[in-house]
Amino acid sequence: DQQVKQNSPSLSVQEGRISILNCDYTNSMFDYFLWYKKYPAEGPTFLISISSIKDKNEDGRFTVFLNKSAKHLSLHIVPSQPGDSAVYFCAARRSSYKLIFGSGTRLLVRP
Amino acid sequence: GAGVSQSPSNKVTEKGKDVELRCDPISGHTALYWYRQSLGQGLEFLIYFQGNSAPDKSGLPSDRFSAERTGGSVSTLTIQRTQQEDSAVYLCASSLAGTSGNTGELFFGEGSRLTVL
Repeated sequence: DQQVKQNSPSLSVQEGRISILNCDYTNSMFDYFLWYKKYPAEGPTFLISISSIKDKNEDGRFTVFLNKSAKHLSLHIVPSQPGDSAVYFCAARRSSYKLIFGSGTRLLVRP
Repeated sequence: GAGVSQSPSNKVTEKGKDVELRCDPISGHTALYWYRQSLGQGLEFLIYFQGNSAPDKSGLPSDRFSAERTGGSVSTLTIQRTQQEDSAVYLCASSLAGTSGNTGELFFGEGSRLTVL
């Protein structure tokens, strides 16, 4: 039972444009959501998070949107840069329970 | 160092042998996770230690897999009688999850790449 789903395995965008990565979840009890970025041969690194009491959180070029009624969150990167090319994982958790990850989306930002 | 440390970084073993992977979490972190990433796949949850609570072992794929966390710090993931399908990168992460006011962000190590021939 995949509770966190990233249905797009890959995404390619032009440098300077917006990248939108999507994530869906099934467990309405999740109360915290995170995005991680992973480069090859490295561990994932934390990017941005959002609590279920909010619908938007912004940090520089990165914004996460949460739509609780649709059980959907998205990560927007504006403007996209070639260095943003990586695999992006969304993750969700309930209280102090385990963090569950999606399968990841590989982003390629073309110069 | 200040981060999560994992060893070995690379391990090649023969099918049927046992392997041990070690994780040194960030000092003071109460929660410790093991995940694995097979080639082209996402992060698969294996096991979760939180303080003194019983670990959540729901992600361990078979009884050949076990993990322990000694003294609330270092953790060892053991795979007995390794199989080729065990080949993956095994990632350890730690966090302050569960402490009041903390968001529970996970800090990952660089992983241990296991290859079973």
